[in-house]
Amino acid sequence: KAGVTQTPRYLIKTRGQQVTLSCSPISGHRSVSWYQQTPGQGLQFLFEYFSETQRNKGNFPGRFSGRQFSNSRSEMNVSTLELGDSALYLCASSLAFGGGYTFGSGTRLTVV
Amino acid sequence: TQLLEQSPQFLSIQEGENLTVYCNSSSVFSSLQWYRQEPGEGPVLLVTVVTGGEVKKLKRLTFQFGDARKDSSLHITAAQPGDTGLYLCAGDRNTDKLIFGTGTRLQVFP
Repeated sequence: KAGVTQTPRYLIKTRGQQVTLSCSPISGHRSVSWYQQTPGQGLQFLFEYFSETQRNKGNFPGRFSGRQFSNSRSEMNVSTLELGDSALYLCASSLAFGGGYTFGSGTRLTVV
Repeated sequence: TQLLEQSPQFLSIQEGENLTVYCNSSSVFSSLQWYRQEPGEGPVLLVTVVTGGEVKKLKRLTFQFGDARKDSSLHITAAQPGDTGLYLCAGDRNTDKLIFGTGTRLQVFP
């Protein structure tokens, strides 16, 4: 079966712009989580969605937001981009929370 | 505050050597997962341990969950270049949020 698909793979944006990243989970998986990965901070939890509801949110500013659609696909949005937002953004899906995640290949965002 | 500390941070060894990676916390986890991540890709789940004292083996990899469910270890026997990657532990505290460790970057030279 198809894995977790994230688009786009690479993105270059300018400070102040906004960006939307997309994640299609494995078919049948209803839980989608987003993580930010940087060399200095490692993998930091952004938020988790289950059946279109945000169940948990990490310690990120309000510029970071997300949503999940009825088909379980998820998007995350970052507004007013800052240089520090440059990172690999990873999406992971699972049947239910705690069941072991399947990660996508990530979106590499570079803010210049 | 990093809830899950991994050690060592970096490990560079020759093919055939054995190694152990540690994942420690002061918090109790209901389960703990280990992932391996290769450059340009997302982490791949290796194993989930849920019972204190549990030991799981995956070919040359042995995973152990501490009795108190606060720590875990990953032991690799006779490491191979294909084992090279970033190893991550991740803990679940039943809060709908998986917490990742600081990571151990392993390089195995032929």
